[in-house]
Amino acid sequence: DTAVSQTPKYLVTQMGNDKSIKCEQNLGHDTMYWYKQDSKKFLKIMFSYNNKELIINETVPNRFSPKSPDKAHLNLHINSLELGDSAVYFCASSETPGPYYEQYFGPGTRLTVT
Amino acid sequence: AQSVTQLDSHVSVSEGTPVLLRCNYSSSYSPSLFWYVQHPNKGLQLLLKYTSAATLVKGINGFEAEFKKSETSFHLTKPSAHMSDAAEYFCVVSPTGANNLFFGTGTRLTVIP
Repeated sequence: DTAVSQTPKYLVTQMGNDKSIKCEQNLGHDTMYWYKQDSKKFLKIMFSYNNKELIINETVPNRFSPKSPDKAHLNLHINSLELGDSAVYFCASSETPGPYYEQYFGPGTRLTVT
Repeated sequence: AQSVTQLDSHVSVSEGTPVLLRCNYSSSYSPSLFWYVQHPNKGLQLLLKYTSAATLVKGINGFEAEFKKSETSFHLTKPSAHMSDAAEYFCVVSPTGANNLFFGTGTRLTVIP
């Protein structure tokens, strides 16, 4: 009964490929997020959705496209992968947007682009 | 603009001794502040949060942090380190009215037996 799950856990692919990472939360939360953690452990938000609507879109290449089919799922599709996309991607969810609500993180997806 | 500075990238303590992980922030308005912990190959877990209530915040696993506005600091402490505390710790700020979190660069805590 994992709260926030991500698949796959590891993803190794070549430059130029297109790949997707899936995220699901069973907490009944309205808000979901994608974060990128680089090789120096620095975490930065990429996107946030509230009730399937995009509310945060940081400066991210448009090769990255999030999709939220329902409020329990937030998938991340990446086109034309580049070496610099190698990172750990974390999905998170919270009850509602805003700083007062704890964000629950998934275990991460380690993406390696060769 | 908002930012978080974790003053030590790596802290090493002996088991049973106190832990101090330092964090300074800058934010235009009264922020919310958090500490998250990341154990190896795991996701992040919230340790504690400050959202303009009591300045001394108690979290899980015996950790606490004190919000000092005059010093713009939010240091994390624990009286006695345990082996299971070895992990990466992130200080995080969320400005008033914002939906997103800004993470510090992390402090890796090593606990020596």
